[in-house]
Amino acid sequence: GDSVTQMEGPVTLSEEAFLTINCTYTATGYPSLFWYVQYPGEGLQLLLKATKADDKGSNKGFEATYRKETTSFHLEKGSVQVSDSAVYFCALSSTTGGGNKLTFGTGTQLKVEL
Amino acid sequence: GAVVSQHPSRVICKSGTSVKIECRSLDFQATTMFWYRQFPKQSLMLMATSNEGSKATYEQGVEKDKFLINHASLTLSTLTVTSAHPEDSSFYICSANPTGEDTIYFGEGSWLTVV
Repeated sequence: GDSVTQMEGPVTLSEEAFLTINCTYTATGYPSLFWYVQYPGEGLQLLLKATKADDKGSNKGFEATYRKETTSFHLEKGSVQVSDSAVYFCALSSTTGGGNKLTFGTGTQLKVEL
Repeated sequence: GAVVSQHPSRVICKSGTSVKIECRSLDFQATTMFWYRQFPKQSLMLMATSNEGSKATYEQGVEKDKFLINHASLTLSTLTVTSAHPEDSSFYICSANPTGEDTIYFGEGSWLTVV
């Protein structure tokens, strides 16, 4: 079945440091790939997505490129801020019935310090 | 954009009672909705697929008699936790996507505490 493997956290960085959170996946077909962010005490928010190979999703300075050859979708940001502290989830979607269900990675907690 | 609303956002119930959580798509119809559960500091696990007008499809290991799902209309799915126990305390969240779109919208989530 589908699966997502995400680097374990927590990750602690200083403000303005470069961020990479690795994500690889296993899936049949050609899934769409997502990064979701969960701030403390809140629900999930879509951060970015990519729907086909070589697509790059980007939002709020974060980027991730859909790499079919390496089955990866690593999240990057050039300069993190304290406000980026959150848990980040990599996910892929597959279609079932009339909707798209998501398979999530385990989540990576990011803590950014001054 | 499309909105999915969940209610209640927080609920506390006594052990042995049942509690219902609603998931509504406010501006689109959804023949399929999904229910996830998140334990503290863990990832979201798909519990079941809610199908309008038919029985829900449960993931392996999820007790269908304990987590009753009803999808009576194209805009509403409900999750009822029956005979709740403290170990059922968790964050429950639903999702749906408009037909033909691959953007998935999540509800705000519901924090259930069983005491």
